[in-house]
Amino acid sequence: GENVEQHPSTLSVQEGDSAVIKCTYSDSASNYFPWYKQELGKGPQLIIDIRSNVGEKKDQRIAVTLNKTAKHFSLHITETQPEDSAVYFCAASRSAGGSYIPTFGRGTSLIVHP
Amino acid sequence: DAGITQSPRHKVTETGTPVTLRCHQTENHRYMYWYRQDPGHGLRLIHYSYGVKDTDKGEVSDGYSVSRSKTEDFLLTLESATSSQTSVYFCAISESASASYEQYFGPGTRLTVT
Repeated sequence: GENVEQHPSTLSVQEGDSAVIKCTYSDSASNYFPWYKQELGKGPQLIIDIRSNVGEKKDQRIAVTLNKTAKHFSLHITETQPEDSAVYFCAASRSAGGSYIPTFGRGTSLIVHP
Repeated sequence: DAGITQSPRHKVTETGTPVTLRCHQTENHRYMYWYRQDPGHGLRLIHYSYGVKDTDKGEVSDGYSVSRSKTEDFLLTLESATSSQTSVYFCAISESASASYEQYFGPGTRLTVT
């Protein structure tokens, strides 16, 4: 089955700095890569995603890059703010029965210091 | 927020007792999922459903069963709870892949097995 490795497990930055979280996956059949943000006591929420036919996608301060050959993808957050503090999960998804079944990384706890 | 509710939100039960968790959606989405979240493990898929009475196993299905008799409800049952099933359980929903790949998560159920 799919195996997703996510690093680092904890990331501490100063407000205004950039943050980068990296993930690798093992199954070349995975073709959809979402990133979720989870705030304390809540369920995860999608913040950005990328499909395998795209190398990079950006949405305001957040960007994701994908290298299919190397099987790795990354989340980049620029100009971090205290409200960016949360746990971030990457996932690699394969199609199954009309849906996409994700395998999640173990999460990165991002702490943004004011 | 997507219309997803989970009940109960918190439950403490004893080893060996049966437990049923309920996920209810008002979005009429076809796909529903059950995950468990444990420290250091991220989110792991237990079972998912691709329609009424259509379900399939995820990566950690042992000890769990599911049922979906209506589009809006997806039940997760622990036939005989064990301490290793102490976890936070999340339900998620999604439309078909042709519409959107995004999964929407519920607020979670914290289950403690003593």
